[in-house]
Amino acid sequence: DTEVTQTPKHLVMGMTNKKSLKCEQHMGHRAMYWYKQKAKKPPELMFVYSYEKLSINESVPSRFSPECPNSSLLNLHLHALQPEDSALYLCASSQERTYGNTIYFGEGSWLTVV
Amino acid sequence: AQSVSQHNHHVILSEAASLELGCNYSYGGTVNLFWYVQYPGQHLQLLLKYFSGDPLVKGIKGFEAEFIKSKFSFNLRKPSVQWSDTAEYFCAVTASGSARQLTFGSGTQLTVLP
Repeated sequence: DTEVTQTPKHLVMGMTNKKSLKCEQHMGHRAMYWYKQKAKKPPELMFVYSYEKLSINESVPSRFSPECPNSSLLNLHLHALQPEDSALYLCASSQERTYGNTIYFGEGSWLTVV
Repeated sequence: AQSVSQHNHHVILSEAASLELGCNYSYGGTVNLFWYVQYPGQHLQLLLKYFSGDPLVKGIKGFEAEFIKSKFSFNLRKPSVQWSDTAEYFCAVTASGSARQLTFGSGTQLTVLP
């Protein structure tokens, strides 16, 4: 079982709604990630937090807003999404090493935008 | 930047057949290599990883992979597949100095017929 937990497992939201995805890990990892995965495709990196600071933003639209309140928690705030944003959103974490990092994934949050 | 190629998009095998999934990467420096598996409707799970040392690595569920540096390859093998191995398999790589940026291949869908 994964030690990265995500809530909710499923979310349906309208294009005018504001919602949030939440992620928690208790492995003492100092890097946390958001990925987006469309069906039958590999995950695409969205954001990376290192020591609670945003270190990588892969040109993600501003309707996705990440937040890292502390070293164990990672949120993804969603606002004014489009139907094409429907996907599996994966949270992940890893130790913060320059070499030999293993990235562990959560079970994901299935998002449907209607 | 590194890239990963998985040339087999869909592999269909009968139970007890042997499996080999190809993975090639392009990067001139030191890499860390991974195989992840995603069962239908589930999250990404780490099958095995290579950081250094013995190029033949063993993972969970009877899988193994061999790193051949001269061929830039990290092929996944299993001597006898089971119906429960039906899943999507992703090869992934991180490069030295970019340990947080996991680059995935396009994935291989394995279907095992009972």
